[in-house]
Amino acid sequence: QVLLVESGGGVVQPGRSLRLSCAASGFTFSNYAMHWVRQAPGKGLEWVAVILYDGNKKFYADSVKSRFTISRDNSKNTLYLEMDSLRGDETGVFYCARESLGYFGMDVWGQGTTVTVSS
Amino acid sequence: EIVMTQSPATLSVSPGERATLSCRTNQSISSNLAWYQHKPGQAPKLLINGASTRATGVPARFSGSGSGTEFALTISSLQSADFAVYYCQQYNSWPRTFGQGTKVEIK
Repeated sequence: QVLLVESGGGVVQPGRSLRLSCAASGFTFSNYAMHWVRQAPGKGLEWVAVILYDGNKKFYADSVKSRFTISRDNSKNTLYLEMDSLRGDETGVFYCARESLGYFGMDVWGQGTTVTVSS
Repeated sequence: EIVMTQSPATLSVSPGERATLSCRTNQSISSNLAWYQHKPGQAPKLLINGASTRATGVPARFSGSGSGTEFALTISSLQSADFAVYYCQQYNSWPRTFGQGTKVEIK
C-alpha cells in the first residue's frame, strides 16, 4: 500500500523553527520527486516546495524561499521540511505529496500535519 | 509565476445535476493541468491530469477539457460523494501553482 505519513507539526512561536517529516512506504521513494503543499485555515492549497528524486534540484515558492529548506533521505524513505523564521500567517496543515512519474501532477498525498504559529 | 483563476468560487448544485468548473491561466500551459478533489479532513485526491486524463479509479462522470489557458472540469451527474472543493494546478513550469478552489455544495 502506497502511503505518506507526515509528522512534526505542533505549536511554535513566531520567529522560531520547526522541522516536518514525511515517511513514505509502499513504493520506491528514490524514484520520485516529492512536494510540500500547505493550507491555511479557510484558504486554498498553496504549493510550498519540491525536491527531485535524487535531491539535486529543489524549487521553492517565493513566499518561503530562503526560510524553508526541503530535503530527503532516500535511505530512510523520508522527506523533510525545515522551516525557519515562521510567521503567524503560516499556521495551517502541511501535506507531503508524491509527484507522478513523468511529472503529471501529484498522485499520492499524506493526511497532513498541523502547524500552529502563535505566541 | 503562472496565475490560476478558478470560477465560480462556490457552485450550488442539486444531486444528479451537472456541474462545470472553470480554470484559467495567465499564460499558456498547453495541457499541463491537473484537477484535485479535496474534502475536509482528508488528503487531496488527483482526479485529472493532462487536462483530460482521468486518474486511476476516478469515475467516468468526471471529465476534463481545455488547453492553452482555458480549462474545465465537468461532473456529469453529481453524487453525494462529489460535494467537495476542487482545485486546478499547473505543472507546466516552476513554481507549481494552484487555483484558489471551487467549492461544490449541495443546493
